[in-house]
Amino acid sequence: SAVISQKPSRDICQRGTSLTIQCQVDSQVTMMFWYRQQPGQSLTLIATANQGSEATYESGFVIDKFPISRPNLTFSTLTVSNMSPEDSSIYLCSVEDRGQAGASTEQYFGPGTRLTVT
Amino acid sequence: QKEVEQDPGPLSVPEGAIVSLNCTYSNSAFQYFMWYRQYSRKGPELLMYTYSSGNKEDGRFTAQVDKSSKYISLFIRDSQPSDSAPYLCAMSDGGKLIFGQGTELSVKP
Repeated sequence: SAVISQKPSRDICQRGTSLTIQCQVDSQVTMMFWYRQQPGQSLTLIATANQGSEATYESGFVIDKFPISRPNLTFSTLTVSNMSPEDSSIYLCSVEDRGQAGASTEQYFGPGTRLTVT
Repeated sequence: QKEVEQDPGPLSVPEGAIVSLNCTYSNSAFQYFMWYRQYSRKGPELLMYTYSSGNKEDGRFTAQVDKSSKYISLFIRDSQPSDSAPYLCAMSDGGKLIFGQGTELSVKP
């Protein structure tokens, strides 16, 4: 399975500022995903990031608020812009491992970035 | 109605017990089913992955999928205190993953 790291692991930010979260994978992957996990809640998909194309955002999430970059097959960033206390959450990146046959859809997650907005 | 329903618990069992965790779903197009465990301050850890119906066993863990009933289960045999964590089911039709709310499991020594 892929090994995924995220930076920073946690941060405390002031309202109105922006934070960029980095996700690094130890192997080349086609599909990378960004999720949000609010306190005591399950995971909600923010967007899918494919290398060489624009990210695809889920309903309720917009590019101006959560711009995403995917410069290569092992790296992606998510920016949380103009933050408010409602953005306090854990942000997770994940990758999809298609396996040798190309049919597997197993997803593996990074350790997460714990964001607190004051 | 949510696409995936999972009892949030908490579920408390004595050490050594067999644990049964369950999810129901409404979308008959789901074919890929996963169970994750998420320790505090960690990302979800993939425990079991199953394609379509049937059983899959890995050590103390068994995953079952009943597509006719739209029901999936995770069984943990000989449960240990170290198994205590939230467990999340997730499923997809080949597209994005849909997660259950998660069940908080506590195994008491």
